Amino acid sequence: GAGVSQSPSNKVTEKGKDVELRCDPISGHTALYWYRQRLGQGLEFLIYFQGNSAPDKSGLPSDRFSAERTGESVSTLTIQRTQQEDSAVYLCASSLRLATEAFFGQGTRLTVV
Amino acid sequence: KNEVEQSPQNLTAQEGEFITINCSYSVGISALHWLQQHPGGGIVSLFMLSSGKKKHGRLIATINIQEKHSSLHITASHPRDSAVYICAVSPTGNQFYFGTGTSLTVIP
Repeated sequence: GAGVSQSPSNKVTEKGKDVELRCDPISGHTALYWYRQRLGQGLEFLIYFQGNSAPDKSGLPSDRFSAERTGESVSTLTIQRTQQEDSAVYLCASSLRLATEAFFGQGTRLTVV
Repeated sequence: KNEVEQSPQNLTAQEGEFITINCSYSVGISALHWLQQHPGGGIVSLFMLSSGKKKHGRLIATINIQEKHSSLHITASHPRDSAVYICAVSPTGNQFYFGTGTSLTVIP
Protein backbone atom coordinates (compact mmCIF):
# COMPACT_ATOMS: atom_id res chain seq x y z
CA GLY A 1 0.00 0.00 0.00
CA ALA A 2 0.90 3.64 -0.29
CA GLY A 3 0.54 4.57 3.36
CA VAL A 4 1.97 3.58 6.73
CA SER A 5 0.53 0.24 7.78
CA GLN A 6 0.23 -0.95 11.36
CA SER A 7 -0.81 -4.32 12.70
CA PRO A 8 -2.74 -5.50 14.50
CA SER A 9 -5.35 -2.76 14.49
CA ASN A 10 -6.67 -3.94 17.84
CA LYS A 11 -5.07 -6.08 20.52
CA VAL A 12 -6.50 -7.21 23.83
CA THR A 13 -4.03 -8.88 26.14
CA GLU A 14 -3.87 -10.07 29.70
CA LYS A 15 -1.78 -8.19 32.22
CA GLY A 16 1.70 -9.63 32.36
CA LYS A 17 1.80 -10.91 28.78
CA ASP A 18 4.19 -9.61 26.13
CA VAL A 19 2.89 -7.91 22.99
CA GLU A 20 4.51 -7.02 19.70
CA LEU A 21 3.24 -4.24 17.48
CA ARG A 22 4.29 -3.86 13.87
CA CYS A 23 4.75 -0.86 11.62
CA ASP A 24 5.38 -0.91 7.87
CA PRO A 25 6.54 2.56 6.85
CA ILE A 26 6.13 4.10 3.44
CA SER A 27 8.75 2.67 1.12
CA GLY A 28 11.83 4.87 0.97
CA HIS A 29 11.11 6.69 4.20
CA THR A 30 14.25 6.74 6.31
CA ALA A 31 12.70 8.18 9.46
CA LEU A 32 10.24 6.23 11.61
CA TYR A 33 8.55 7.33 14.82
CA TRP A 34 6.50 5.57 17.48
CA TYR A 35 4.01 7.47 19.62
CA ARG A 36 1.28 6.48 21.99
CA GLN A 37 -1.95 8.16 22.91
CA ARG A 38 -3.67 7.20 26.11
CA LEU A 39 -7.40 7.76 26.37
CA GLY A 40 -8.18 11.45 26.60
CA GLN A 41 -4.53 12.47 26.46
CA GLY A 42 -2.18 13.89 23.90
CA LEU A 43 0.44 12.11 21.86
CA GLU A 44 3.59 10.95 23.66
CA PHE A 45 6.84 10.39 21.82
CA LEU A 46 8.33 6.93 22.37
CA ILE A 47 11.20 6.30 19.97
CA TYR A 48 12.63 7.52 16.68
CA PHE A 49 14.69 5.73 14.03
CA GLN A 50 16.67 7.52 11.33
CA GLY A 51 18.30 5.29 8.74
CA ASN A 52 20.98 3.13 10.30
CA SER A 53 21.75 5.55 13.12
CA ALA A 54 21.26 4.58 16.75
CA PRO A 55 17.63 5.19 17.66
CA ASP A 56 16.51 7.98 19.97
CA LYS A 57 14.93 6.01 22.81
CA SER A 58 14.46 8.96 25.14
CA GLY A 59 10.68 8.64 25.21
CA LEU A 60 10.39 5.00 26.18
CA PRO A 61 8.55 4.97 29.51
CA SER A 62 10.26 1.94 31.03
CA ASP A 63 12.65 -0.90 30.26
CA ARG A 64 9.63 -3.05 29.45
CA PHE A 65 9.40 -1.17 26.16
CA SER A 66 11.78 -1.86 23.28
CA ALA A 67 11.71 -1.30 19.56
CA GLU A 68 13.67 -2.55 16.60
CA ARG A 69 13.99 -1.57 13.00
CA THR A 70 16.12 -3.27 10.40
CA GLY A 71 17.50 -0.72 7.98
CA GLU A 72 14.68 1.32 6.48
CA SER A 73 12.02 -1.34 6.70
CA VAL A 74 9.55 -2.71 9.20
CA SER A 75 9.69 -1.73 12.85
CA THR A 76 8.37 -3.67 15.82
CA LEU A 77 7.52 -2.22 19.20
CA THR A 78 7.58 -4.79 21.99
CA ILE A 79 6.04 -4.33 25.39
CA GLN A 80 7.00 -6.95 27.95
CA ARG A 81 4.96 -7.85 31.01
CA THR A 82 2.16 -5.51 29.99
CA GLN A 83 0.43 -3.39 32.62
CA GLN A 84 -2.99 -1.78 32.52
CA GLU A 85 -1.41 1.66 32.17
CA ASP A 86 0.05 0.48 28.85
CA SER A 87 -3.45 0.56 27.36
CA ALA A 88 -3.34 3.16 24.61
CA VAL A 89 -3.34 3.66 20.88
CA TYR A 90 0.17 3.15 19.57
CA LEU A 91 0.85 5.21 16.48
CA CYS A 92 3.64 4.87 13.98
CA ALA A 93 4.69 7.56 11.54
CA SER A 94 7.32 7.76 8.84
CA SER A 95 8.90 10.56 6.88
CA LEU A 96 11.16 10.67 3.87
CA ARG A 97 14.00 12.01 5.96
CA LEU A 98 14.63 14.22 8.94
CA ALA A 99 12.42 17.31 9.20
CA THR A 100 10.05 16.41 6.37
CA GLU A 101 6.34 15.73 6.44
CA ALA A 102 5.35 12.78 8.58
CA PHE A 103 2.66 10.30 7.61
CA PHE A 104 0.84 8.38 10.30
CA GLY A 105 -0.52 4.86 10.39
CA GLN A 106 -4.00 4.08 11.69
CA GLY A 107 -2.60 2.93 14.99
CA THR A 108 -2.86 -0.19 17.14
CA ARG A 109 -5.38 0.02 19.95
CA LEU A 110 -3.92 -1.96 22.85
CA THR A 111 -6.11 -2.93 25.77
CA VAL A 112 -4.55 -4.64 28.77
CA VAL A 113 -7.08 -6.43 30.94
CA LYS B 1 4.85 24.00 30.76
CA ASN B 2 3.85 22.66 27.37
CA GLU B 3 6.05 23.52 24.46
CA VAL B 4 2.94 23.80 22.27
CA GLU B 5 -0.30 25.52 23.23
CA GLN B 6 -3.45 25.35 21.14
CA SER B 7 -6.64 27.33 21.34
CA PRO B 8 -9.48 26.85 21.57
CA GLN B 9 -9.63 23.38 23.12
CA ASN B 10 -13.16 22.85 21.87
CA LEU B 11 -14.98 24.56 19.05
CA THR B 12 -18.50 24.19 17.74
CA ALA B 13 -19.45 25.88 14.50
CA GLN B 14 -22.37 26.01 12.11
CA GLU B 15 -21.86 24.61 8.67
CA GLY B 16 -20.43 27.26 6.38
CA GLU B 17 -18.64 29.23 9.09
CA PHE B 18 -15.02 30.32 8.82
CA ILE B 19 -12.94 28.61 11.50
CA THR B 20 -9.59 29.52 13.00
CA ILE B 21 -7.49 27.36 15.28
CA ASN B 22 -4.39 28.84 16.86
CA CYS B 23 -1.08 27.34 17.88
CA SER B 24 1.69 28.98 19.88
CA TYR B 25 5.00 27.35 20.66
CA SER B 26 7.96 28.15 22.83
CA VAL B 27 10.87 26.32 21.20
CA GLY B 28 12.90 26.99 18.09
CA ILE B 29 11.63 24.79 15.32
CA SER B 30 12.60 23.45 11.95
CA ALA B 31 8.97 22.78 11.01
CA LEU B 32 5.41 22.94 12.26
CA HIS B 33 2.79 20.36 11.37
CA TRP B 34 -0.97 20.47 11.40
CA LEU B 35 -2.58 17.07 11.85
CA GLN B 36 -6.18 15.92 11.72
CA GLN B 37 -7.38 13.08 13.91
CA HIS B 38 -10.75 11.55 13.19
CA PRO B 39 -12.97 9.87 15.81
CA GLY B 40 -11.66 6.45 14.77
CA GLY B 41 -8.18 7.58 15.81
CA GLY B 42 -6.48 7.78 12.44
CA ILE B 43 -4.21 10.77 11.95
CA VAL B 44 -3.70 12.59 8.69
CA SER B 45 -1.01 15.12 8.04
CA LEU B 46 -2.58 18.32 6.68
CA PHE B 47 0.36 20.66 6.38
CA MET B 48 4.00 20.98 7.15
CA LEU B 49 5.20 24.58 7.37
CA SER B 50 8.50 26.24 7.96
CA SER B 51 7.47 29.72 6.78
CA GLY B 52 4.68 31.69 5.17
CA LYS B 53 1.39 30.18 4.15
CA LYS B 54 0.04 27.04 2.52
CA LYS B 55 -3.39 26.32 1.07
CA HIS B 56 -5.05 23.03 0.29
CA GLY B 57 -8.67 23.16 -0.77
CA ARG B 58 -10.64 24.85 2.00
CA LEU B 59 -7.73 24.65 4.43
CA ILE B 60 -5.17 27.39 4.91
CA ALA B 61 -2.23 27.31 7.29
CA THR B 62 -0.02 30.23 8.19
CA ILE B 63 3.03 30.55 10.36
CA ASN B 64 4.85 33.53 11.86
CA ILE B 65 8.29 32.35 12.90
CA GLN B 66 9.18 35.56 14.76
CA GLU B 67 6.03 35.39 16.86
CA LYS B 68 6.17 31.57 17.19
CA HIS B 69 2.56 31.30 16.15
CA SER B 70 0.60 29.39 13.54
CA SER B 71 -3.04 29.38 12.54
CA LEU B 72 -5.16 26.83 10.73
CA HIS B 73 -8.17 28.22 8.91
CA ILE B 74 -11.09 26.29 7.47
CA THR B 75 -13.28 28.15 5.02
CA ALA B 76 -16.91 27.14 4.39
CA SER B 77 -16.79 24.51 7.15
CA HIS B 78 -18.62 21.23 6.67
CA PRO B 79 -19.71 18.50 9.12
CA ARG B 80 -17.07 16.20 7.67
CA ASP B 81 -14.46 18.64 8.98
CA SER B 82 -15.42 17.53 12.51
CA ALA B 83 -12.26 16.11 14.02
CA VAL B 84 -9.45 16.90 16.42
CA TYR B 85 -6.86 19.20 14.92
CA ILE B 86 -3.39 18.87 16.37
CA CYS B 87 -0.46 21.24 16.07
CA ALA B 88 2.96 19.65 16.32
CA VAL B 89 6.37 21.30 16.20
CA SER B 90 9.65 19.72 15.30
CA PRO B 91 12.73 21.41 16.78
CA THR B 92 15.26 19.24 15.01
CA GLY B 93 13.18 16.88 12.95
CA ASN B 94 13.79 13.83 15.07
CA GLN B 95 10.93 14.42 17.45
CA PHE B 96 7.64 16.21 17.62
CA TYR B 97 6.09 18.18 20.44
CA PHE B 98 2.33 17.99 20.21
CA GLY B 99 -0.39 20.35 21.31
CA THR B 100 -3.33 18.82 23.13
CA GLY B 101 -5.56 19.33 20.13
CA THR B 102 -8.65 21.31 19.23
CA SER B 103 -11.86 19.33 19.03
CA LEU B 104 -13.98 20.76 16.22
CA THR B 105 -17.65 19.95 15.73
CA VAL B 106 -19.42 21.38 12.70
CA ILE B 107 -23.18 21.27 12.97
CA PRO B 108 -25.27 20.93 9.81
